[in-house]
Amino acid sequence: EIVLTQSPATLSLSPGERATLSCRASQSVSNYLAWYQQKPGQAPRLLIYDASNRATGIPARFSGSGSGTDFILTISSLEPEDFAVYYCQQRSNSITFGQGTRLEIK
Amino acid sequence: QVQLVESGGGVVQPGGSLRLSCAASGFTFSSYGMHWVRQAPGKALEWVAFIRYDGSNKYYADSVKGRFTISRDNSNNTLYMQMNSLTAEDTALYYCAKDLITSGTDSYMDVWGKGTTVTVSS
Repeated sequence: EIVLTQSPATLSLSPGERATLSCRASQSVSNYLAWYQQKPGQAPRLLIYDASNRATGIPARFSGSGSGTDFILTISSLEPEDFAVYYCQQRSNSITFGQGTRLEIK
Repeated sequence: QVQLVESGGGVVQPGGSLRLSCAASGFTFSSYGMHWVRQAPGKALEWVAFIRYDGSNKYYADSVKGRFTISRDNSNNTLYMQMNSLTAEDTALYYCAKDLITSGTDSYMDVWGKGTTVTVSS
């Protein structure tokens, strides 16, 4: 099973700041990685797929990069609605999710 | 609009069974693979199962293999999950989700339902 490790577990930032979230795979997943956002009481929302492609309707402040085992989700300038939990997911070998990064308001 | 509505959750005793349903609307259900994903209280997402658009292939997480069965009825736009031999570790909110890619293998989930809660307790 491919294990995805997200860091940090919690990230405390202020609106307007830049957020950088990391996801590391236990073995190469090529570019078969997605990012999701989940707010309390809501279902997850697909943000990024195939490492760097924004899903339909996702603002340009969200971007993804990386390949192989190391991936980054960047939010260029945080809006109040961006504070949530973020998960990465790989589809290279079966499907697994990371344990999540909580992005909280500082 | 595109919508997924889960039902069938509830409280069941350990060793019991439950059948979840997911009614799909707003898209061509028969053209997309479908997933079940669960989330235990306060925990991360866990992928459970996937079924191809035509039902020809099914894939399961090791944690449910041999106990859960995913199926679909394309004539009624409905996805199912039969869950047997339930344990406390199966307690979670169960989401159904649409695959991003038409007629492909399992990939990513671009549409999610609100979920249905399964509680396994004596």
